[in-house]
Amino acid sequence: GAVVSQHPSWVICKSGTSVKIECRSLDFQATTMFWYRQFPKQSLMLMATSNEGSKATYEQGVEKDKFLINHASLTLSTLTVTSAHPEDSSFYICSAPQGRYEQYFGPGTRLTVT
Amino acid sequence: SQQGEEDPQALSIQEGENATMNCSYKTSINNLQWYRQNSGRGLVHLILIRSNEREKHSGRLRVTLDTSKKSSSLLITASRAADTASYFCATDRSGAGSYQLTFGKGTKLSVIP
Repeated sequence: GAVVSQHPSWVICKSGTSVKIECRSLDFQATTMFWYRQFPKQSLMLMATSNEGSKATYEQGVEKDKFLINHASLTLSTLTVTSAHPEDSSFYICSAPQGRYEQYFGPGTRLTVT
Repeated sequence: SQQGEEDPQALSIQEGENATMNCSYKTSINNLQWYRQNSGRGLVHLILIRSNEREKHSGRLRVTLDTSKKSSSLLITASRAADTASYFCATDRSGAGSYQLTFGKGTKLSVIP
């Protein structure tokens, strides 16, 4: 099946710094990718839809200036958490659709802000 | 907001037993999917059932869908210790071709060897 990778798999940063997370579709092209956030022992919450060549669409309550999304190519979307704070600590997962219904998820990135 | 609600939230069974997890949702859907997540890992797609289907099988998995009750169930037969994971149902947003998924809260399954 299709493979989606994320980098880094985990990152620790200091409060106030910015962190970039990459999501790549390795063997297929994705004009759309999705970014989810998952807090411990909770479900995934859709944060935004990343669109290649256009602006991302953010879910209600997600600050677009804090979570910058850039879909630079058909195989790469990046999520930058700007001025990170401890409450941004979470597990961030991306996904990319392929075919009519299939969607492939990355392995996730665990962000810890100290 | 979360549309899907799974129950039970946690389930512990002995290896070899069957595990049943339920999911309810609130709005119209095109399809419903079940995913598995091992601790601290990404999601693995298990099975998709379309709104016009009532039951679907894949190996040891059996999924049912009752659109009149807006509910689905996932049955894992002859469970194995390796089935230990969290299981989520996910529904697509209304609208044809929508890939945006709304996930339920999940059921944490523990299979005791």
